[in-house]
Amino acid sequence: AQSVTQLGSHVSVSEGALVLLRCNYSSSVPPYLFWYVQYPNQGLQLLLKYTSAATLVKGINGFEAEFKKSETSFHLTKPSAHMSDAAEYFCAVSGGGADGLTFGKGTHLIIQP
Amino acid sequence: SAVISQKPSRDICQRGTSLTIQCQVDSQVTMMFWYRQQPGQSLTLIATANQGSEATYESGFVIDKFPISRPNLTFSTLTVSNMSPEDSSIYLCSVVSQQETQYFGPGTRLLVL
Repeated sequence: AQSVTQLGSHVSVSEGALVLLRCNYSSSVPPYLFWYVQYPNQGLQLLLKYTSAATLVKGINGFEAEFKKSETSFHLTKPSAHMSDAAEYFCAVSGGGADGLTFGKGTHLIIQP
Repeated sequence: SAVISQKPSRDICQRGTSLTIQCQVDSQVTMMFWYRQQPGQSLTLIATANQGSEATYESGFVIDKFPISRPNLTFSTLTVSNMSPEDSSIYLCSVVSQQETQYFGPGTRLLVL
């Protein structure tokens, strides 16, 4: 069984500041980990994924995440926030590429001008 | 990535009625899933739509309430039966690509009065 905990239902950063969205997971098997973004009234878009290759994963829109097995974490970062990054971000885990996903509760990212 | 479409995109229904949601993919895929996103909440896996056999439901979801069909490798339907206001949600289908990545359809927004 898998589970995901996203710390902070809302995160607010200033434009140009570092974005850090936290995700911790629990999995009984080597996990596949994903970050998705959901803009208002839109579907889910894949930002990046970890599937047991390189631990530092680069995604779209300047985002990256680092898989840390010892900390069971997969935090999402972006060096410099842009107003267009304002959205809901979901971390998800699965036990394999063909398995259904278990999602965290999501983090609403607010960008202050 | 696969191109996924859903019909209808949104609907308003009366309690006690049923709605069938269609999911169409532009290429053959092995794995297809259905998720529910309740208002302001994260996504929850409803079931795995298996081609040629009965769907596999997650805990808390039953076939009588959410019957699923998967007649071929590009199409699936989810029916929400005997609806109540608590069924008001966004329903999303997803598929797994050959790169073991899960992509989502645009979703069907359902409001039950």
